[in-house]
Parts: sequence; structure tokens; C-alpha cells
Amino acid sequence: TQLLEQSPQFLSIQEGENLTVYCNSSSVFSSLQWYRQEPGEGPVLLVTVVTGGEVKKLKRLTFQFGDARKDSSLHITAAQPGDTGLYLCAGVRSGRGADGLTFGKGTHLIIQP
Amino acid sequence: DSGVTQTPKHLITATGQRVTLRCSPRSGDLSVYWYQQSLDQGLQFLIQYYNGEERAKGNILERFSAQQFPDLHSELNLSSLELGDSALYFCASSVGGQGSYGYTFGSGTRLTVV
Repeated sequence: TQLLEQSPQFLSIQEGENLTVYCNSSSVFSSLQWYRQEPGEGPVLLVTVVTGGEVKKLKRLTFQFGDARKDSSLHITAAQPGDTGLYLCAGVRSGRGADGLTFGKGTHLIIQP
Repeated sequence: DSGVTQTPKHLITATGQRVTLRCSPRSGDLSVYWYQQSLDQGLQFLIQYYNGEERAKGNILERFSAQQFPDLHSELNLSSLELGDSALYFCASSVGGQGSYGYTFGSGTRLTVV
């Protein structure tokens, strides 16, 4: 059983459309992070959320941490081909700071021109 | 350039062999983490070192070992290699010991066991 479940696993949409991807767990996290990974490269940190209910914006990307700190979402407005990549959520479980980040399997996003 | 340097970028070796992967963390970061990424399992945490000491262990096989040196660079040793060990191996670093505010990843080493 995956600790962090990401959905959808694959998503292919047209340029200009909006989308939301999800990261869910039954565990509580002290912080949750989103990364984007491109082929042949390591994941790159996009954002960290630490407070339940927190919303952070990064240009056209909006990140939300659930009130109970068990889930998160990433919404992209007017998607562009440059947004293509593997989006990973990762978390530090409450009280388990020394375990290393736990990653979901990711959402493969393709934005077609 | 993330500031985390991994070498080599690609490695092809035969079953039963031993290899060493090297990582230099971003300047100022004391923690080094090793992850294995495969298509079916995603990113799996292997081990963490903080300022030279082992801090946390994940799903690391007994055939694998790691260490962090006084200059903070780290090496991951993989021995008695099997076909199933073929994967991307990533090193990441963070300033503190928990990484609660994010990791900086290197570009990875792609290991192919034939």
C-alpha cells in the first residue's frame, strides 16, 4: 500500500486547459512538498506547505494543503507545454522526521500544443 | 545546476559486480539522502546521513551500503548486483536533518545491470 496516493496517474490535456492533480493519504503529515521531474533529471522542489488549509500560489500553479494535513492538491491554470513533466508529492509524517521524505508515485502530465 | 553533483551519470555493469555511486551535496547542506527510482516503485528512500553519521534507514538491501565522509560527500556501494537493481539512483541534500523544507536533488545515476 502506497502511503501517498496520487491521482490521476496519467493526464494528457490541450494547452490552455485547467487541471487539478491530487495527493491523498490516511496519515498526517507535518509538511508536504510538491516536486516536478523532467526526463533524465532529478525532481525539482516547487513548494512546501506546512499549515493545514494553507494555499500557496506559484504563477499559474496553486497548491493547497488539506485542513487535516492528510492531503494536498495542485491546480494549474491555462496549462502550457512547458508544464509537461512528472509531478510528485512528498511528505514528512508527523513525529517521523528522521524517516526521510515519503514520495507518491506521481502524476505524468502531458500538455499538448 | 542544482548544486548537488552525482557521478557517474550512466553505469552499465554485469550481474554479480560491485559499483560505487558518488554524491557531493549542495554547499552548506549537512544531510545527504539516497533514493532509488524505478518505473513500478517510484522513488524509494534508501538511507540518510547527517554530518557524517547515519540518521535514518529506509528500504535499503543488505547488499547495499553507504557512507558520508568528513568533507560531506557520500558514496553508495551496491554489490552482488542483480538485474532488478537496474534503476535511477538519486542523491539529495538538505541543510537540516529532517528535510521538512525540501530537498535538492542531483541529476541521478542511471544503473543498468546486464
